[in-house]
Formats: sequence, C-alpha cells, structure tokens
Amino acid sequence: AQSVTQLGSHVSVSEGALVLLRCNYSSSVPPYLFWYVQYPNQGLQLLLKYTSAATLVKGINGFEAEFKKSETSFHLTKPSAHMSDAAEYFCAVSALNTGGGNKLTFGTGTQLKVEL
Amino acid sequence: DAGITQSPRYKITETGRQVTLMCHQTWSHSYMFWYRQDLGHGLRLIYYSAAADITDKGEVPDGYVVSRSKTENFPLTLESATRSQTSVYFCASSAGTGGNEQFFGPGTRLTVL
Repeated sequence: AQSVTQLGSHVSVSEGALVLLRCNYSSSVPPYLFWYVQYPNQGLQLLLKYTSAATLVKGINGFEAEFKKSETSFHLTKPSAHMSDAAEYFCAVSALNTGGGNKLTFGTGTQLKVEL
Repeated sequence: DAGITQSPRYKITETGRQVTLMCHQTWSHSYMFWYRQDLGHGLRLIYYSAAADITDKGEVPDGYVVSRSKTENFPLTLESATRSQTSVYFCASSAGTGGNEQFFGPGTRLTVL
C-alpha cells in the first residue's frame, strides 16, 4: 500500500520569497514520486518526477525537489516565487510492480497563493 | 488535435439519469485512467485500463462503469447518477509502467441535481 501526505492545504508566500511545499510518502517498495501543478479550470501538468536516479530533481519553471529516503519526503521548492506560480500542487506516488501500470496515489493538494 | 481530450467539459444532470463522459487520446498510450477530484480528497482513481479490453477497479469504483474497445477511447459511465457523484472528472493516459508520466485531460465538471 502507498500513501501521500501533503502538509498544509494552503500556503501563502510573498513574490520573490522561497516556496516550500511539503510531501511525505509511504510505500512498501521503492517509490516513484511526482509533483503535478494544476492551474484554475485546467488539468494537471507534470512539474517533475523522481525515478531512482539523482535524488535532487529539477523540473519546469524553476522548481526542484529532493528525495530523502530516511525522511520519506519529497518536498518541492523554488527559490523565488512568481505571481504565475499561484496554483494547486499535488504530490503523487507510484510503485514498481504494482500492476495496472503506474497507478498514482495523490495527496490532497496544496493551494499556493503568491502575494505582492 | 494531438493529445488527450474530454467531452463534455461541463454537464448538468439529474439524479437517476445515465451519463457518459468521453475520453480520447491520440498517442496510442497503453494505459488510461479515470480520476475524480473533490475538495479535501485530491484525486482518487476510479478505474484504469492497461490495454484495450483490459480494465480494473481503482479506489472508488462504485456506481461507475468503463469500457475500452479501442486503445484511444476510454468512456466512463455513471449508470444512475447520484448527488455524491458531483465532481470534476479527469482522464489520463500513460505510455507504460513505473516512472512514466501520466498526461491529463482538461477535465469534465459534472453536477448532479
């Protein structure tokens, strides 16, 4: 079984400030981890993914995430927030050999607000 | 157009009616998925399919039926809609297993009165 916990359903930052969105996972086998972003009235778009290569993963729009096995975490960061980053962010986990392709288990999402 | 499309984008129906949500992808991806998105729950998997004529239940399958006679289409049917099925529904597709990305459609907002 696998699960994802996203701490903080709403996060607010000032433009130019550090963005930190938290994600902790549980998985009985080595996981694949994903961060998706959802803009209003749109589908989800992949930001980045961890697939057991480098533990520091760089994604689109200046985002990155670090896989920490000891902490079972995959937090998303961006050094300097931009107004266009305001969106909902979802962390998701899938696992090797679960059948059904890469079935994803999603966290409940974090709404990021960027203020001037 | 290339990609993954859903229709309709918005639908209002009444309790007890049958509703079918359509999903079409042009990449010939083997895997397709249906999720529902509700406040406080994130996205939850309803059904998925590994190939044409192969489907399986996800986390919340009750009240839904799927079929996949062609690789590119994966319709989702609510046999007798209930108010609790008011939600935003997303279809996704993926080329393979493991770390393969899932590509999402734009969603269908369904309201059951």
